[in-house]
Amino acid sequence: GAVVSQHPSRVICKSGTSVKIECRSLDFQATTMFWYRQFPKKSLMLMATSNEGSKATYEQGVEKDKFLINHASLTLSTLTVTSAHPEDSSFYICSAAWGETQYFGPGTRLLVL
Amino acid sequence: AQSVTQLDSQVPVFEEAPVELRCNYSSSVSVYLFWYVQYPNQGLQLLLKYLSGSTLVKGINGFEAEFNKSQTSFHLRKPSVHISDTAEYFCAVSGFSSASKIIFGSGTRLSIRP
Repeated sequence: GAVVSQHPSRVICKSGTSVKIECRSLDFQATTMFWYRQFPKKSLMLMATSNEGSKATYEQGVEKDKFLINHASLTLSTLTVTSAHPEDSSFYICSAAWGETQYFGPGTRLLVL
Repeated sequence: AQSVTQLDSQVPVFEEAPVELRCNYSSSVSVYLFWYVQYPNQGLQLLLKYLSGSTLVKGINGFEAEFNKSQTSFHLRKPSVHISDTAEYFCAVSGFSSASKIIFGSGTRLSIRP
């Protein structure tokens, strides 16, 4: 149990386009989901906390207009990188809270050309 | 505010040797403690967690960790490592709820030599 999926697993896009990443809790409902960003050989940095039915809470320094988060249901949160640029290339990982633990998705590798 | 320090960025060990990955944390309140493992190009997998109770926590893949409140440490150990344990290991802390933020350490790369 407690499986979290992400789609797509990897995406390549042109600079200036928008990319949507989905995070789903497959066998449980998650009121709260989290989005992280991981640079090569670095740790995970929390970008935002996504709460079902309300606005996401962004960490300091994260542009809310660039990284749009929607948590429309108890099993789905989406992260949209708007007007992506090469510096947005990274590994994006989501997690979903259930019980006393967060369960992590497999990650989405974004490459912006 | 909470923080996590992983003192070793890389730990090379020989196969079947014991290993300890160090983790120290700082927090003004009680916390939950976690160790996660990340294999190349994959997400994070929970190895073990300390919520309360016994300070020695056993996890998957033969790993265990000991919570030491006085030293604010949560070191990860395995008595005999395998090649398949080669990965990045992250220590993390959070508040008393799965809806709390998780603060990650910088990670320790464990490389196993045959």
